[in-house]
Amino acid sequence: KAGVTQTPRYLIKTRGQQVTLSCSPISGHRSVSWYQQTPGQGLQFLFEYFSETQRNKGNFPGRFSGRQFSNSRSEMNVSTLELGDSALYLCASSPTGIVTGELFFGEGSRLTVL
Amino acid sequence: AQSVSQHNHHVILSEAASLELGCNYSYGGTVNLFWYVQYPGQHLQLLLKYFSGDPLVKGIKGFEAEFIKSKFSFNLRKPSVQWSDTAEYFCAVNARAAGNKLTFGGGTRVLVKP
Repeated sequence: KAGVTQTPRYLIKTRGQQVTLSCSPISGHRSVSWYQQTPGQGLQFLFEYFSETQRNKGNFPGRFSGRQFSNSRSEMNVSTLELGDSALYLCASSPTGIVTGELFFGEGSRLTVL
Repeated sequence: AQSVSQHNHHVILSEAASLELGCNYSYGGTVNLFWYVQYPGQHLQLLLKYFSGDPLVKGIKGFEAEFIKSKFSFNLRKPSVQWSDTAEYFCAVNARAAGNKLTFGGGTRVLVKP
C-alpha cells in the first residue's frame, strides 16, 4: 500500500510570492491534516479536511488555506509569503481523522522563503 | 503557554538503560493521547495511543506509556533501550476543550550510545 506522498519535496520562494503544496493520502483515507514544523515552534496543526470539508483549523493567519478534492487529495496554499513561513510542511492521512485515528505522515515539503 | 510540554529536549543514554520521557498537558476533560516517533531520515510514525480504559498502554518496539489523569501526564517508558531507538519523540494531545485540535509537544531528541 503506497504511503502518503507530498510534492514538491523542496522549494525556494521569495517574500510576497505564494506557494501550493500537494498531498496524496493513503488510498481509502478520507482525512488529511496539515502541520508546520519549525525548530522554534515545533509541530503545529494547520487544518484538517475530511471528505472535502474543513473539519478543524489551527491558529494560523488567513494566508494559509487548503482544500480537499473528491479523490481525497489535498492542497495547501500560502499566500504573500513571509520569511517566517520557512518550514517543513507535513501532511498526514487517516481513515477516521485526527481525533481518534492513527495518523500516517508523509515526508514533508521543505519550504525556504528568501 | 505551551499546552503540551515535554520537559526534556535532549536525552543521551547508553544501550540497555531505561528511558522515561515526560509529557504534561494543560487541558481538562476528555483527551486522546499519542506518542509519535521520528527516526533519522524517516517520517513520523505512531508509537502508541490512549483513548480510555487501562491507563497503561503498550505500543510498538517495547514502548509503553502511563496516563495519570490527576497529574495531566502521559509519560513514555522503555525498560531497556537499543541504539535503534535513537530518534525524536513527540507527545500529542487531542482535547475536546481545545476544539479537537491536535497539539504536539516540542519533542525530545534521544541519542542512544552503543
